[in-house]
Amino acid sequence: NAGVTQTPKFQVLKTGQSMTLQCAQDMNHEYMSWYRQDPGMGLRLIHYSVGAGITDQGEVPNGYNVSRSTTEDFPLRLLSAAPSQTSVYFCATTRGGWNGELFFGEGSRLTVL
Amino acid sequence: AQSVTQPDIHITVSEGASLELRCNYSYGATPYLFWYVQSPGQGLQLLLKYFSGDTLVQGIKGFEAEFKRSQSSFNLRKPSVHWSDAAEYFCAVPAGGGGADGLTFGKGTHLIIQP
Repeated sequence: NAGVTQTPKFQVLKTGQSMTLQCAQDMNHEYMSWYRQDPGMGLRLIHYSVGAGITDQGEVPNGYNVSRSTTEDFPLRLLSAAPSQTSVYFCATTRGGWNGELFFGEGSRLTVL
Repeated sequence: AQSVTQPDIHITVSEGASLELRCNYSYGATPYLFWYVQSPGQGLQLLLKYFSGDTLVQGIKGFEAEFKRSQSSFNLRKPSVHWSDAAEYFCAVPAGGGGADGLTFGKGTHLIIQP
């Protein structure tokens, strides 16, 4: 039972390149979300999804795209990477209905040069 | 908007000593409150949560937290810390969308354990 799996764990990009961070869960959770973590800033919500086919913006959505074609997968796309997107990215899931516990992946560290 | 403040960026505690990490919240109604822990290189793990009822809640790894409405606080405590408790600790509240849009996190407190 893997839980929440993120790939890749590390990535270096050049400014302007695009890439996709993958997130897969085997917990059958309805809600999935992406956060970024920056030093001294805590975690900030980028995008979230309440189910397949439904996504919405969080606090810092600019420069990122998401889609949710299946319950299991919630990829995060960087369309044209910028140095300001250098961060650690976390995918998280929670059950449908609010019980508060987010289950996190181990994170993806992205550096944009 | 709901928010949390963690006043201490770093806390240093000797192994075996007691610990208290502070969290103050701003929330429109009866708050839901959470503490998460992040070990180095890992994702976050839920330590404990408060929804209602008893204001002293017990969590995993020997942690507890007390909800004080009069002080808008939800401080995390542990009677005796272990070296393995060295980590980043985050207080959180719901972002406001009824659960769908996740949590709003504080900026974290980095706990250092001295031998």
